[in-house]
Amino acid sequence: AQKVTQAQTEISVVEKEDVTLDCVYETRDTTYYLFWYKQPPSGELVFLIRRNSFDEQNEISGRYSWNFQKSTSSFNFTITASQVVDSAVYFCALSELRRMDSSYKLIFGSGTRLLVRP
Amino acid sequence: DGGITQSPKYLFRKEGQNVTLSCEQNLNHDAMYWYRQDPGQGLRLIYYSQIVNDFQKGDIAEGYSVSREKKESFPLTVTSAQKNPTAFYLCASLKTGRGNTIYFGEGSWLTVV
Repeated sequence: AQKVTQAQTEISVVEKEDVTLDCVYETRDTTYYLFWYKQPPSGELVFLIRRNSFDEQNEISGRYSWNFQKSTSSFNFTITASQVVDSAVYFCALSELRRMDSSYKLIFGSGTRLLVRP
Repeated sequence: DGGITQSPKYLFRKEGQNVTLSCEQNLNHDAMYWYRQDPGQGLRLIYYSQIVNDFQKGDIAEGYSVSREKKESFPLTVTSAQKNPTAFYLCASLKTGRGNTIYFGEGSWLTVV
C-alpha cells in the first residue's frame, strides 16, 4: 500500500540552527513523484518541491535542500540557518497514479511542526 | 490574478444542516480535489474530479457530496450525514505537463456548533 511516514511530530530549534525533516515512503509504483509542502499558520499549503523517482540528484534552493535516496525510500528536507519565518507545518507527499482510469492523487504524511525560536 | 479561491474562509454550521464550500480556479486545470485536515493530522482525500461531469470518491467520502458542472468550479457539500464535520477543508487542482503538481487554495474552516 502507498504510505508516507513523517516520524517527527514536532521539532523545536533556535534560529540559525540547521534542521532536517525526515520522510519515508512506501509505494508499489515504479514511477512516482515526491513532494514537500509548507503550511504556515494561515493554513494554505505552499508547494516547495517535486522530485521524480528517476532523479536522485539532491537539490538545493537557497537555504532549502532535499536528499532523495531510493535505496532507503527516503526524501528528507533540510533547512540551513533556520529563521523564525520557517515556523510552519511541513508535509511530505507521494503521488499515486491509478492505471485503470489514469487518476492522479497525493498521499500525505501526517506532517512535522517546526518551531524556530528567536 | 490566477489561482484557486475558496470561500468562505470561516463557516459555522448548526448540527443537522447541510453546508456548501465553494472552490473556483482560473488556472485551466482539468483535475480538482477536496482534502480534509483535522488538527495535528495530515490531509485525507474526500473527492476528486478528473474532468467536467465526472468525479470519484476518495478515502473519506461518506457524508460529503460534490458536483463538477464547470471546469472552473468544484463545490463540496458537507451533509448532515457527516458525523464529525468540524475540520479544515482544502481544495486543490492539478497542473499537468513536465511533472504533475497539485496546488492548493487557502482553505475553509468549518465549525459545527
